[in-house]
Amino acid sequence: KNQVEQSPQSLIILEGKNCTLQCNYTVSPFSNLRWYKQDTGRGPVSLTIMTFSENTKSNGRYTATLDADTKQSSLHITASQLSDSASYICVVSPSYNNNDMRFGAGTRLTVKP
Amino acid sequence: NAGVTQTPKFQVLKTGQSMTLQCAQDMNHEYMSWYRQDPGMGLRLIHYSVGAGITDQGEVPNGYNVSRSTTEDFPLRLLSAAPSQTSVYFCASREGATGNQPQHFGDGTRLSIL
Repeated sequence: KNQVEQSPQSLIILEGKNCTLQCNYTVSPFSNLRWYKQDTGRGPVSLTIMTFSENTKSNGRYTATLDADTKQSSLHITASQLSDSASYICVVSPSYNNNDMRFGAGTRLTVKP
Repeated sequence: NAGVTQTPKFQVLKTGQSMTLQCAQDMNHEYMSWYRQDPGMGLRLIHYSVGAGITDQGEVPNGYNVSRSTTEDFPLRLLSAAPSQTSVYFCASREGATGNQPQHFGDGTRLSIL
């Protein structure tokens, strides 16, 4: 069973709308939780990195939240743009080996005009 | 500043052939790693290196070899290609060997094994 589960698998929204992507994980204890954006045909690009002691981290219109007690994270995108169309990937690093990152399968977001 | 450069971008191999996927970074990063990305699955770690001369296995190392003779380069070798190794391969680098720095990814090598 994957240790990092993301939902929904895919999402379609209209330009200008907000959306929230979910990440549930079982990796424990963990060192940090990351969110990446991956455009089609490109490598992932880092959006946010949160340690276990942080609750929220923002990067422009992207805001990630973390609830370490329930092992859940979310990525909120505000005022979506066409360029936000991409896959969004949640990644958790276990404390016992910060280099052994566990990747979720991603949420495919499509923003339509 | 090129970042992480992977070559080739596309490759088709026959079963049993060997090849090397190249990865170079110009940011003087200590940590480098290789992942494979398959449809419907998250990226999986193949091998990683925390510095020149140091490598370690990740989640799916079988069938792959790596070496790290310089800080800049981290090639991935397929010893005898199998259809199960058809995938998109990503190389990444990070400033510190451990810690919370962001990882920088290349744009991938799309590999098909016939």
